[in-house]
Amino acid sequence: KQEVTQIPAALSVPEGENLVLNCSFTDSAIYNLQWFRQDPGKGLTSLLLIQSSQREQTSGRLNASLDKSSGRSTLYIAASQPGDSATYLCAVSLYGQNFVFGPGTRLSVLP
Amino acid sequence: NAGVTQTPKFRVLKTGQSMTLLCAQDMNHEYMYWYRQDPGMGLRLIHYSVGEGTTAKGEVPDGYNVSRLKKQNFLLGLESAAPSQTSVYFCASSYGNRGRGTGELFFGEGSRLTVL
Repeated sequence: KQEVTQIPAALSVPEGENLVLNCSFTDSAIYNLQWFRQDPGKGLTSLLLIQSSQREQTSGRLNASLDKSSGRSTLYIAASQPGDSATYLCAVSLYGQNFVFGPGTRLSVLP
Repeated sequence: NAGVTQTPKFRVLKTGQSMTLLCAQDMNHEYMYWYRQDPGMGLRLIHYSVGEGTTAKGEVPDGYNVSRLKKQNFLLGLESAAPSQTSVYFCASSYGNRGRGTGELFFGEGSRLTVL
């Protein structure tokens, strides 16, 4: 059974710092991996989708990498801003199966 | 762009009452999903559908029923609500390739249900 973990569970950083969020999964035979952002009381917003054949994806200040062999993905946020404060979740899907979600990392960026 | 729309956004029920949550998507996605999100439990899949007229059980299906009569709509029903079903419910949709995997997931804003 695929299990997804995220470290750290919570993170507080001053504005302007570059930061890395980690996602680990137990079964490396994934179809794709997706990073989401969730603001309090809101739904999940898709940030980046990485297909199994890809190593990374970039969108603005966000960069997500994927290392299937080690069962890891990282989300890099450059020059963090208070507006980046949210919970970040990763989810992985295996071939022919649904997504399994991690518990999330709660990020606070302090002005 | 509407994307994934859920109704209602808030509802309070008494134990034993029934209700239906409606999810609508305008992206022509094949796959649709219902999740519940609880503190400390994360997101858990209740039921999903890989196409019109088809449904399947997820991780926590007990106490819920679903229907996918139209491709764009996915309904989640509670026949006899229980306090344990107090939760935030999220609908999602994606492209799908049967036998291979799901595409990018898109979520609705959520429906907050309280069962007294």
